[in-house]
Amino acid sequence: GAGVSQSPSNKVTEKGKDVELRCDPISGHTALYWYRQSLGQGLEFLIYFQGNSAPDKSGLPSDRFSAERTGGSVSTLTIQRTQQEDSAVYLCASSLQGASNEQFFGPGTRLTVL
Amino acid sequence: GESVGLHLPTLSVQEGDNSIINCAYSNSASDYFIWYKQESGKGPQFIIDIRSNMDKRQGQRVTVLLNKTVKHLSLQIAATQPGDSAVYFCADQEGGFKTIFGAGTRLFVKA
Repeated sequence: GAGVSQSPSNKVTEKGKDVELRCDPISGHTALYWYRQSLGQGLEFLIYFQGNSAPDKSGLPSDRFSAERTGGSVSTLTIQRTQQEDSAVYLCASSLQGASNEQFFGPGTRLTVL
Repeated sequence: GESVGLHLPTLSVQEGDNSIINCAYSNSASDYFIWYKQESGKGPQFIIDIRSNMDKRQGQRVTVLLNKTVKHLSLQIAATQPGDSAVYFCADQEGGFKTIFGAGTRLFVKA
């Protein structure tokens, strides 16, 4: 079956532009997570969704970052007025029910802000 | 604050030997721990997990040990193979969804 997919796989943008990153979770998975991974670093938790709601947004780095999920499926992570420090790989994961369940990761979107 | 860290950033082992990757965590309230493997250009892949009411769990060629007294987690890989070469992350959760990852250990397997 299909795994978690993310698009685009690579995104190059200019400083100050807005970007949208998309995540398609595994069908039937109710929980969805966004992480950021800088080069050679671990994963930084950004946000998670249980269904369409995001109970914990504490990981979002600034108010330039927002995320939504519709229909309990696709999620988009939006970064407004991108900065060079936003350059990283953005990873999405989904899990069947959420807490204490295996997370399945997508391949990530590599974002480069020039 | 919460932090999950690793003792050694790089580990090099001979093919066929056993590997041990260590991890220290700081949140004594963490109740779920996970090891992930990440190969170059790919997302992390689940290896094994353990809940805080256990101190050992075994999978296929892998064993996770949890010592809550000293807040230490380890991953043991038996008969390490070249395909095991990757970056390994430990992670923890406290009563919910937010998952905190460590910085990672790169494992090199020498043929």
